[in-house]
Amino acid sequence: ETGVTQSPTHLIKTRGQQVTLRCSSQSGHNTVSWYQQALGQGPQFIFQYYREEENGRGNFPPRFSGLQFPNYSSELNVNALELDDSALYLCASSKLGTDTQYFGPGTRLTVL
Amino acid sequence: KQEVTQIPAALSVPEGENLVLNCSFTDSAIYNLQWFRQDPGKGLTSLLLIQSSQREQTSGRLNASLDKSSGRSTLYIAASQPGDSATYLCAVYSGGGADGLTFGKGTHLIIQP
Repeated sequence: ETGVTQSPTHLIKTRGQQVTLRCSSQSGHNTVSWYQQALGQGPQFIFQYYREEENGRGNFPPRFSGLQFPNYSSELNVNALELDDSALYLCASSKLGTDTQYFGPGTRLTVL
Repeated sequence: KQEVTQIPAALSVPEGENLVLNCSFTDSAIYNLQWFRQDPGKGLTSLLLIQSSQREQTSGRLNASLDKSSGRSTLYIAASQPGDSATYLCAVYSGGGADGLTFGKGTHLIIQP
């Protein structure tokens, strides 16, 4: 199965700005997770949403926030951008209670 | 806190060779383990998922094994091809939405034609 899309593909922001990244989950998937992947590192779990509510969070500060919409699309919002926020942001969708997560192509964020 | 380590960090082999990628994790209380492939600048493609009660999974030329008690998994690639060149990531899921997947840093694999 495939079908998770993310937008935009690339984004350049300056330190202190705010950014919104978008994800469209695969049809029928009610859970979405977001991950941050710095260059040369494995992805790190940011948070997960189920039925429009956050139901799990990794070790990320509150300036990382999200939304999930009734049509299972999702947003990741990052406030007060820092240089270290430069990374590939990955969205993954799944059906709650199943094991396989399906990842989108990612959004490459560069903070200058 | 769960930690995942992958060895080697990089590997370059001639086409046709069989190879093994290694993954270890510190907390054996996992729900499942997945192997992913990532092409440069791209998202992740799931290759194999092994439940904690399973010992191995196979898909085509790929075979993944799991030794939960020792905290180890291996990904075996048979008859490697240049198209196998990618970064291979190992991830464990400990259950519960609070943790998500915990990934290793990956093994960067190059298959020489």
